[in-house]
Amino acid sequence: AQSVTQLGSHVSVSEGALVLLRCNYSSSVPPYLFWYVQYPNQGLQLLLKYTSAATLVKGINGFEAEFKKSETSFHLTKPSAHMSDAAEYFCAVSKAAGNKLTFGGGTRVLVKP
Amino acid sequence: DGGITQSPKYLFRKEGQNVTLSCEQNLNHDAMYWYRQDPGQGLRLIYYSQIVNDFQKGDIAEGYSVSREKKESFPLTVTSAQKNPTAFYLCASSLEDRAGAFFGQGTRLTVV
Repeated sequence: AQSVTQLGSHVSVSEGALVLLRCNYSSSVPPYLFWYVQYPNQGLQLLLKYTSAATLVKGINGFEAEFKKSETSFHLTKPSAHMSDAAEYFCAVSKAAGNKLTFGGGTRVLVKP
Repeated sequence: DGGITQSPKYLFRKEGQNVTLSCEQNLNHDAMYWYRQDPGQGLRLIYYSQIVNDFQKGDIAEGYSVSREKKESFPLTVTSAQKNPTAFYLCASSLEDRAGAFFGQGTRLTVV
C-alpha cells in the first residue's frame, strides 16, 4: 500500500524567504508524485508532478520539487515567498497514470509580511 | 470552458436524511473520484469509477453510495448510515493515460 507523510502541519515563513515543504512517500513500485495547492473553501490545483522523467520538476507560481529515490522524498520549494502563497499544500502519490491518488495530511503555509 | 462542476457549494441537512452531491465533468475524462476532506486529515478516497457502470470502494466507503450511469456524471449519496457526514467533499476526474487529477470546487456538507 502506498502512503504519504508531510512533515509539519503548519509552516510559517516571512515574505521573501525560502519556502520548504517536506514530503516522504512509501510505494512498492516507482511512483507518480504530485503537489497540489488549496485556497480556502476551494478545490485543489495541481502545482507540479513527477512522472519518471527529470528528477527536478518545475511547476506553476515559481515552485519546484526534487524527486530523490534514495530518500523516498519529494520536497517542494520556492526561493521567495509571496503573500499569495498562503494556502494549504498537499503531496500525493499514485502507482500509475490514471490511477487513484493517495494524499498526505497537508501543510498549511502562513506568510508573514 | 472545460471543467468539473460540483453543486451545491454549501449544503445543510438534518441528521438521518440522505443527501446527494452532484459532480459533472465535460473534460471527457474516463475516471472520476470522490474524496472527503476533514481538517488535519488530508483527503481520503470514498469511491472511484474508471468506466461507466462500474465503480470501486475507496478507503472510507461505509455510509456512502455512488452511481456512474454517464461518463460525465458521478453523484455521491451520503446516507443516514454515515456516522459523521459533516465534511468538505471533493470530486475529481482524470484521463486513463495521464498522471494527475482535476478537482471540482467542492461541496461543504453540514449535518445538524
